[in-house]
Amino acid sequence: RKEVEQDPGPFNVPEGATVAFNCTYSNSASQSFFWYRQDCRKEPKLLMSVYSSGNEDGRFTAQLNRASQYISLLIRDSKLSDSATYLCVVPRGVWNTDKLIFGTGTRLQVFP
Amino acid sequence: EAQVTQNPRYLITVTGKKLTVTCSQNMNHEYMSWYRQDPGLGLRQIYYSMNVEVTDKGDVPEGYKVSRKEKRNFPLILESPSPNQTSLYFCASLHRYGQGLAGYNEQFFGPGTRLTVL
Repeated sequence: RKEVEQDPGPFNVPEGATVAFNCTYSNSASQSFFWYRQDCRKEPKLLMSVYSSGNEDGRFTAQLNRASQYISLLIRDSKLSDSATYLCVVPRGVWNTDKLIFGTGTRLQVFP
Repeated sequence: EAQVTQNPRYLITVTGKKLTVTCSQNMNHEYMSWYRQDPGLGLRQIYYSMNVEVTDKGDVPEGYKVSRKEKRNFPLILESPSPNQTSLYFCASLHRYGQGLAGYNEQFFGPGTRLTVL
């Protein structure tokens, strides 16, 4: 299994839709997980972190399933401005947050 | 404004011509790193530095050098660039919020340097 694996997409959804992405990881010892957002040709920016079962921030919900070793990102009421690539990030060690492993990203395209 | 800056933003060069990409952060972060991003491969860490004069290899260090003589700067050096180093490069610094289970790290990325080696 790859260290971090994501469906590259693209996910094409209409405005207002709910969309979910999954990310699987191989390091069962990882304690904290992150979702970053990257706009085309721009730098990644932190969207959410999750270290327990889940985290919610407005329209965005990140959930963690340790037994199955995956995290998910749910976006409700999608906006045009949500169009971007979403990167799943997992530390390589338990607390080894110095080495973050980035997934290749899932591309979301929201259309009117 | 808190930020990470990189220069140049775009560079086209030829094989074997030494180049340096500069990176500077004004957030007093101890930890900095360099990544390259390639289609289908995602972001891969080249080198990182946990503090001044402390650097270590990431996952793809071959063909690169770094130095950390002062906290704010972390330049990436390509002594003899080759076409397979054509890529989008990001510098990043890391800030730690909180401690233990209640804490998390956030990477702040520079705007990127698009390098083409002919």
